[in-house]
Amino acid sequence: AQSVTQLDSQVPVFEEAPVELRCNYSSSVSVYLFWYVQYPNQGLQLLLKYLSGSTLVKGINGFEAEFNKSQTSFHLRKPSVHISDTAEYFCAVSFSGGSNYKLTFGKGTLLTVNP
Amino acid sequence: GAGVSQTPSNKVTEKGKYVELRCDPISGHTALYWYRQSLGQGPEFLIYFQGTGAADDSGLPNDRFFAVRPEGSVSTLKIQRTERGDSAVYLCASSWSNTGELFFGEGSRLTVL
Repeated sequence: AQSVTQLDSQVPVFEEAPVELRCNYSSSVSVYLFWYVQYPNQGLQLLLKYLSGSTLVKGINGFEAEFNKSQTSFHLRKPSVHISDTAEYFCAVSFSGGSNYKLTFGKGTLLTVNP
Repeated sequence: GAGVSQTPSNKVTEKGKYVELRCDPISGHTALYWYRQSLGQGPEFLIYFQGTGAADDSGLPNDRFFAVRPEGSVSTLKIQRTERGDSAVYLCASSWSNTGELFFGEGSRLTVL
């Protein structure tokens, strides 16, 4: 079955610390991978995406993610977080193998950055 | 406007009533999507339009839910005989092409009492 798992529902960190938000998926077909961020009282915003090519993808606000096909993972990282990074982060996968309009989202990880 | 606009932002209704939620996508975006986000969950796909037609409505939970996009721009999600379990945030998104880069609105929060 096709699924998306975000292993941590909440991740508290201190400002300027590194952070990794984990995402794993289950699929027998090729996938496209995305991370979206939702700031308080705002809509979802695309952080970064992997469609093909280099497995290390850089996004906005200093975030990056690495696609690991053998481990079926797409973990999100940032070397030094800011208070303003406090938000909910969603991993999303398109299992459509090309007709990639339908995204399956994980349950989200709430990142809280403390001073 | 520049982004995806959804109205109303909040809707409180009584069980059994009919509701309509509106989405105004980014100008020129041909694809439009509806998702539903329940508390503590990620968004769940409901329906996808390419132009005026519903290309995929497999996520609609039952026949009480219906969506239209008559002129290929604004879309309306319609829910008949609302139930308490329909309470959620309904998200609309649009895109230029099938790359998964969806632009989301802020959502319509529906509360069914």
